[in-house]
Amino acid sequence: NAGVTQTPKFRILKIGQSMTLQCTQDMNHNYMYWYRQDPGMGLKLIYYSVGAGITDKGEVPNGYNVSRSTTEDFPLRLELAAPSQTSVYFCASHSQWGEAFFGQGTRLTVV
Amino acid sequence: QKEVEQDPGPLSVPEGAIVSLNCTYSNSAFQYFMWYRQYSRKGPELLMYTYSSGNKEDGRFTAQVDKSSKYISLFIRDSQPSDSATYLCAMSRAGGTSYGKLTFGQGTILTVHP
Repeated sequence: NAGVTQTPKFRILKIGQSMTLQCTQDMNHNYMYWYRQDPGMGLKLIYYSVGAGITDKGEVPNGYNVSRSTTEDFPLRLELAAPSQTSVYFCASHSQWGEAFFGQGTRLTVV
Repeated sequence: QKEVEQDPGPLSVPEGAIVSLNCTYSNSAFQYFMWYRQYSRKGPELLMYTYSSGNKEDGRFTAQVDKSSKYISLFIRDSQPSDSATYLCAMSRAGGTSYGKLTFGQGTILTVHP
């Protein structure tokens, strides 16, 4: 039972580089979310999706983009990485009852 | 002012103690309340989920919601070293496009020492 799978687990980027964080869920959930977690700051919503083809901005969307072509996949794209994007990124999906399932996180460092 | 306030701690207690974790919120639109536990270098996992004022109990854990005071609590009885983790409160609005969008507290770091 995989649940929510994120890749990669760790990544170091140079300033200005781009990358895609992958997220896949096998629970057939319509709702998927990307959060970032900075030390002592809780989790902040970056982008979310309520179904394939539908995405919307969260609290901190600047510098990120998403797409949702299938129910299973919700990749997060970083363009022109900046040191302020150094963080731990979590993907989550929600059941119809509101229970959120989180991936194991991607630790990103921008140098 | 943050929508959800949570004391980050850290909180250190002896094994067997009763732990009380708290969050306050300012937006009366929040209707669903959750507590997540996050071990170091892991994703958060749901502990408790409730949508009404009052108490909800699950084993050693009790979630309490007071909507009139905009205050939620998580109590852990007979705390164990395995309870050492960061505890995050989270809440969301009801229905529509707000469904499932969680607003988190900062998280409280709890250590239970033997």
